[in-house]
Amino acid sequence: DAGVIQSPRHEVTEMGQEVTLRCKPISGHNSLFWYRQTMMRGLELLIYFNNNVPIDDSGMPEDRFSAKMPNASFSTLKIQPSEPRDSAVYFCASSTGGKGYGYTFGSGTRLTVV
Amino acid sequence: DAKTTQPTSMDCAEGRAANLPCNHSTISGNEYVYWYRQIHSQGPQYIIHGLKNNETNEMASLIITEDRKSSTLILPHATLRDTAVYYCIVRAPNTGGFKTIFGAGTRLFVKA
Repeated sequence: DAGVIQSPRHEVTEMGQEVTLRCKPISGHNSLFWYRQTMMRGLELLIYFNNNVPIDDSGMPEDRFSAKMPNASFSTLKIQPSEPRDSAVYFCASSTGGKGYGYTFGSGTRLTVV
Repeated sequence: DAKTTQPTSMDCAEGRAANLPCNHSTISGNEYVYWYRQIHSQGPQYIIHGLKNNETNEMASLIITEDRKSSTLILPHATLRDTAVYYCIVRAPNTGGFKTIFGAGTRLFVKA
C-alpha cells in the first residue's frame, strides 16, 4: 500500500495566486481529513469528508478556502486568492471510519506564499 | 470530545522505557483514548488506541486507569528515533463520521 499520497510536496507561490493541493487517500478508506499545521496554531482540522460528502467544514478559515472530493480516490484543497498568512504545512489523512480506527497521514504539502 | 492534559516536554535515556502520561478526567463512557506521534517534518503517525483495557502492539503499550481518567503510553525501549511530539486524544465516534482534534502534545527527547 502506497499510503496517503499528497502533491505537491512543496509549493511556493505569489500572493494572490490560486493554489491547489491534492490528496489520494488509501484505497478502501471512506473518511478523509484536511489539516493545517503552523508553529503558532499547531495542527488544525480544516474539513473532513465521509463517503465523499463534506461533514464538517467549520475549520475552514475563510471563503478563500474550498475543498472537494469528487470521488473516493481524490480530494483537493484550493486557496484562491492565496495570502502570506496561508503559509503552512497542509496534511491530508484518511481512515476506514467507524469507531476504533486511527488515521493515516500523508507526508504533507509545505506551502509558502510570498 | 473530552479535553486532555499532557506535560509539555519529557526526556528519556536511550534504551530505557519512556512513560508518557495523559489526563482525561472528563472522559465519557463511549470515548476512546488515542495516541499519535509526529516526528520532525513528517505527518502524524497513529500509535495505539484503547477504550478501557490495556493494549499493546509492536510500537507501544497503553495503560488506562480503572476509572479511565488517565492513561500512560509506554515505549519499552526508547531509541533516538522515538524523539517526537506525542499526542494524546480522546474522542467518540458518531454516525456521520468523526474528527480528531490535536492539542499541543508532549515533546519527547530521547538522549544517548
